[in-house]
Amino acid sequence: EAGVAQSPRYKIIEKRQSVAFWCNPISGHATLYWYQQILGQGPKLLIQFQNNGVVDDSQLPKDRFSAERLKGVDSTLKIQPAKLEDSAVYLCASTGMKKETQYFGPGTRLLVL
Amino acid sequence: GESVGLHLPTLSVQEGDNSIINCAYSNSASDYFIWYKQESGKGPQFIIDIRSNMDKRQGQRVTVLLNKTVKHLSLQIAATQPGDSAVYFCAERSWGKLQFGAGTQVVVTP
Repeated sequence: EAGVAQSPRYKIIEKRQSVAFWCNPISGHATLYWYQQILGQGPKLLIQFQNNGVVDDSQLPKDRFSAERLKGVDSTLKIQPAKLEDSAVYLCASTGMKKETQYFGPGTRLLVL
Repeated sequence: GESVGLHLPTLSVQEGDNSIINCAYSNSASDYFIWYKQESGKGPQFIIDIRSNMDKRQGQRVTVLLNKTVKHLSLQIAATQPGDSAVYFCAERSWGKLQFGAGTQVVVTP
């Protein structure tokens, strides 16, 4: 079974630029999560989708971050405009019907200069 | 606020010895706990989980212990191998949301 796929793996941008990340969850997984992991810290939830609907986006900085999962499968996370403090690893995870174990992708490493 | 935390940021273990990684949690409403392993440059990898109605669960070379009285979670790794070198995170689920601790770096020495 293929795991969670993410792209790109690395991205370097200048502050005030925009960037987008893509995630394809494990086939059949209805729930998809985006996390931000700052160096030396544990992942922090940004947004949770159930199919194509948002379940929880309470920790998403909505003035600059947006995410969508239009067809209930893959998802994109966008930052516009980026700030220096957005430098982090952006992880995507998904869960199946049991909604317990979250399986993570390899992450996208973002560096904002 | 309530949070998940780890006692030791770095754990050095000799190859072949057993490792014990500890985690304190403060949210008594948490109903599910997970341990993840994260190697450099990779995403967190599921190791083992435990529900709040259990106090022990065993996997292959790993055991998770849950002590709800003192709100403590531990991960035991038997016969630690070089491939076990990584950062280990505990996470608790409360009100459907997973909260991660800061992580413990495990370094396996020959």
